[in-house]
Amino acid sequence: DTGVSQDPRHKITKRGQNVTFRCDPISEHNRLYWYRQTLGQGPEFLTYFQNEAQLEKSRLLSDRFSAERPKGSFSTLEIQRTEQGDSAMYLCASSLGGQGARPQHFGDGTRLSIL
Amino acid sequence: GEDVEQSLFLSVREGDSSVINCTYTDSSSTYLYWYKQEPGAGLQLLTYIFSNMDMKQDQRLTVLLNKKDKHLSLRIADTQTGDSAIYFCAESPGTGGFKTIFGAGTRLFVKA
Repeated sequence: DTGVSQDPRHKITKRGQNVTFRCDPISEHNRLYWYRQTLGQGPEFLTYFQNEAQLEKSRLLSDRFSAERPKGSFSTLEIQRTEQGDSAMYLCASSLGGQGARPQHFGDGTRLSIL
Repeated sequence: GEDVEQSLFLSVREGDSSVINCTYTDSSSTYLYWYKQEPGAGLQLLTYIFSNMDMKQDQRLTVLLNKKDKHLSLRIADTQTGDSAIYFCAESPGTGGFKTIFGAGTRLFVKA
């Protein structure tokens, strides 16, 4: 499978716990994006990386959220001290780089449920 | 500002054509996209159109872009029950980085 891979697919945790999600992009893609999707809505942009550099962060990404892409390949998204409002689908996407925007290809997401 | 609007529901009979409409606000958008999402799954990139094009056809899918009215449509010919899903219109804004802005999605119901 050469698509975007996300792990885990589902995560259930208690409020206040920390969670970490992983994303493996399509191998030749150097841009990687994180989005959040709540029920009945389209995905909302959180952050994106060009190689290992985090170049843009949304105001939705509070200080409890941190994302890394240490070697420019896979990425992790960590949420500390989870809250009920963090329950959502977290989607990762990747695209080619170069000048300008590029079509993004999405993984199947990680569904987070906060008890 | 950046905003994408689309109707929430569309119901068609199997074999008919479906037309899903979308409006956007950023006149400098570079790419416009249609994504499909089935229950419990991520988003599948169906097709996209570059902003200097008016039309793109790909098998049963036809995308029409009216830049003057900032209107995008997706026509699915010979709609099948397997086409039942949520369809998202999205744009890459011309300024402000490389994020994609999504509409809330149109839920397509195909009746047998």
